[in-house]
Amino acid sequence: AQKITQTQPGMFVQEKEAVTLDCTYDTSDPSYGLFWYKQPSSGEMIFLIYQGSYDQQNATEGRYSLNFQKARKSANLVISASQLGDSAMYFCAMREGVGYSSASKIIFGSGTRLSIRP
Amino acid sequence: GAVVSQHPSWVICKSGTSVKIECRSLDFQATTMFWYRQFPKQSLMLMATSNEGSKATYEQGVEKDKFLINHASLTLSTLTVTSAHPEDSSFYICSASSGGSDEQYFGPGTRLTVT
Repeated sequence: AQKITQTQPGMFVQEKEAVTLDCTYDTSDPSYGLFWYKQPSSGEMIFLIYQGSYDQQNATEGRYSLNFQKARKSANLVISASQLGDSAMYFCAMREGVGYSSASKIIFGSGTRLSIRP
Repeated sequence: GAVVSQHPSWVICKSGTSVKIECRSLDFQATTMFWYRQFPKQSLMLMATSNEGSKATYEQGVEKDKFLINHASLTLSTLTVTSAHPEDSSFYICSASSGGSDEQYFGPGTRLTVT
């Protein structure tokens, strides 16, 4: 069965510093996708970045990058130059399936609450 | 990007009544929709997966008779919480996929409070 683990319940970071949010996963399926979502206090889920299991390069989206270490089964999110607006809950998630089938369910980790200090 | 809406955004109901939550894909056809619930300071827990025109697939431990899911069209899925009790109070979030994309699009969520 698939499993997502986020070991940091909360983090405090100074504004403008970079921050790494940890995520490890477990799956027996060779084909899978990894996601990071941001959930501000309003509750909406904001998609940040995606990494496919067969992608050779680490995914990047603006200030977000995903440090994908397949052998270690880790998919850490790196936020560069943090901003006050980055304060939110961050969830790592995984979907099993071939061809990034969007009909497959996404399983979420327990989340990390990130707080940015001015 | 694709937009998913939920209605209502929040609802308060009395114990024993039923509540219906709608999830709509506004600018795409959603072949599959997912329903999650989230308790305060916890993660999203998948409740069920629904495909248009067929019965929903419920996750283990989710009472299908209590949480009725209908996906009657490619743009609408509904979740009905029947005979709601205070322990059903939660944040309910839907997501939708078109089948032609590797992304799921999330609705803004519905906060249910049962008194």
